[in-house]
Amino acid sequence: AQSVTQLDSHVSVSEGTPVLLRCNYSSSYSPSLFWYVQHPNKGLQLLLKYTSAATLVKGINGFEAEFKKSETSFHLTKPSAHMSDAAEYFCVVSDRIWSGGADGLTFGKGTHLIIQP
Amino acid sequence: SQTIHQWPATLVQPVGSPLSLECTVEGTSNPNLYWYRQAAGRGLQLLFYSVGIGQISSEVPQNLSASRPQDRQFILSSKKLLLSDSGFYLCACTGGLSEQYFGPGTRLTVT
Repeated sequence: AQSVTQLDSHVSVSEGTPVLLRCNYSSSYSPSLFWYVQHPNKGLQLLLKYTSAATLVKGINGFEAEFKKSETSFHLTKPSAHMSDAAEYFCVVSDRIWSGGADGLTFGKGTHLIIQP
Repeated sequence: SQTIHQWPATLVQPVGSPLSLECTVEGTSNPNLYWYRQAAGRGLQLLFYSVGIGQISSEVPQNLSASRPQDRQFILSSKKLLLSDSGFYLCACTGGLSEQYFGPGTRLTVT
């Protein structure tokens, strides 16, 4: 079985400072990992994905995440926060073998990112 | 790349009334399709998924149902809405490497 834990329900940073959103996962197999962003009353947008290639993954809008197997972590970072980054962020794990081919995704509960001016 | 359309964007319905939410997908064929519900302050809950026309799997027992009459059309229905059905409903389809792409969502308020 797979699971994902987002360690912070809310993160508040000042504009221009670094962002760190933490995510830990568990999976019986080699997982695929994703980060999605959701602005209020909008659908989810894929930020980046890890699929067993390079462990440091670069995404859109200056975000990146590093897959650390030894720590079972996939934390999301950005060097300098922008006001437009304020949103809900979801860490997601996919274990395609476990899902039986239905691309079963397991979502974290989300982290609300607040950007202070 | 895939484009997912959902309608309506918002809906206010009384308790006991029927429901029909529609999702259509462009830019891909034979996708896996999903319905999720996002209740206020909560994460996403997978409701249904479909791997092909007429093939529906339910993840959570409830008074909702889903149908897939065409390859790129996915419909979420209910005969009688409950207050607890209120939420944000998202349709998604599978991308190339098991990621999913989401539609803009439908905000349902049951009064």
